[in-house]
Amino acid sequence: QQQVKQSPQSLIVQKGGISIINCAYENTAFDYFPWYQQFPGKGPALLIAIRPDVSEKKEGRFTISFNKSAKQFSLHIMDSQPGDSATYFCAASRRSNFGNEKLTFGTGTRLTIIP
Amino acid sequence: GAVVSQHPSWVICKSGTSVKIECRSLDFQATTMFWYRQFPKQSLMLMATSNEGSKATYEQGVEKDKFLINHASLTLSTLTVTSAHPEDSSFYICSARGRGTPSLRAQYFGPGTRLLVL
Repeated sequence: QQQVKQSPQSLIVQKGGISIINCAYENTAFDYFPWYQQFPGKGPALLIAIRPDVSEKKEGRFTISFNKSAKQFSLHIMDSQPGDSATYFCAASRRSNFGNEKLTFGTGTRLTIIP
Repeated sequence: GAVVSQHPSWVICKSGTSVKIECRSLDFQATTMFWYRQFPKQSLMLMATSNEGSKATYEQGVEKDKFLINHASLTLSTLTVTSAHPEDSSFYICSARGRGTPSLRAQYFGPGTRLLVL
């Protein structure tokens, strides 16, 4: 029940296109859903996050869509650029009163933007 | 805001030696710090969680005597890999959460430390 399933494993998108990565979760106690971007040899960087009381959140070219009833959320990258080529991880967590709120990560999607 | 640094970025050591990795929050108070391990082309595996001034909580299967974690201040946590062996070679990443960050719930990650044990 702690899993977060992410798809696809890899994705190739043409420059200027829309990249879409999907995640699904099982634990209905999850109430925080961040996305991270990781370049080779670097630590993950927080991209955008959403809470389940909203269905969509947009920051620049990045949009999270959230479907609470389906227990799914997705990342959309508009006007994809070669610099977006990286591995993307979705994650989920539930609030903890003891300060040890932990992230459950998806398996990652390797995104490649081709010219 | 929410910058996390790690030192060293690369370390090569001989089998049987101990290696210490530092994780620092540069512009915020890290009330909670996390240590992860990542194998090539895989997701992040949480090793342990530590709150400032408390003993670390280790995930199942992680040897606490092998991976010593200290979170002595609100800006510094250390991971010591004791008696390192080649199977400990990996990419170790810390993250932190705390006061003074854009989001109190977000984890902010360091750049990682690549450990190679010969």
